[in-house]
Amino acid sequence: GQQLNQSPQSMFIQEGEDVSMNCTSSSIFNTWLWYKQEPGEGPVLLIALYKAGELTSNGRLTAQFGITRKDSFLNISASIPSDVGIYFCAGHTSGGYQKVTFGIGTKLQVIP
Amino acid sequence: DTEVTQTPKHLVMGMTNKKSLKCEQHMGHRAMYWYKQKAKKPPELMFVYSYEKLSINESVPSRFSPECPNSSLLNLHLHALQPEDSALYLCASSQPGLLNTEAFFGQGTRLTVV
Repeated sequence: GQQLNQSPQSMFIQEGEDVSMNCTSSSIFNTWLWYKQEPGEGPVLLIALYKAGELTSNGRLTAQFGITRKDSFLNISASIPSDVGIYFCAGHTSGGYQKVTFGIGTKLQVIP
Repeated sequence: DTEVTQTPKHLVMGMTNKKSLKCEQHMGHRAMYWYKQKAKKPPELMFVYSYEKLSINESVPSRFSPECPNSSLLNLHLHALQPEDSALYLCASSQPGLLNTEAFFGQGTRLTVV
């Protein structure tokens, strides 16, 4: 199926460092979502973005909905060990139901 | 309450068995989804129910049979599966509309077919 271009695919960082990951698409989306998934668990919603240009924060996480509606980024500031996991971007168009398209995921590992 | 509950958490079944996965949400969402996720891959959409009617079947083999008994429940009936069907099966729900339409996922059922 269709996938978003998400990068990087994996990251090793030192605790305390900031992290940035991004997603691009050839299609326009009305909504961008960022999820975190830990082993054996379902994806957990971190941030939802609904407007082009929107910048939203959730604690140490900040995400932006690109002005072209074809991209989004997620920043994590001052990383901690519990930030370890796989981060997925996802996009969809609004309507009666949402056919969500997922990025390939960014695997984040934090070195204490 | 933003919880989607899936049971069982783990399931091991033989290729001749019949089993069912269950999903429940009480957020009043009218769209529910089944996804399949293989290791190190993103979730892949299988089925979408909107207002209790099947809206999308992503060419899923007939050995997977979804059912939506009411607006809170979603089942996935399994029969004659193959070992390659082993995966994490995720249920999700969302609210139709223009805003606040984000999908919430359950913790998944880890299925192993032997």
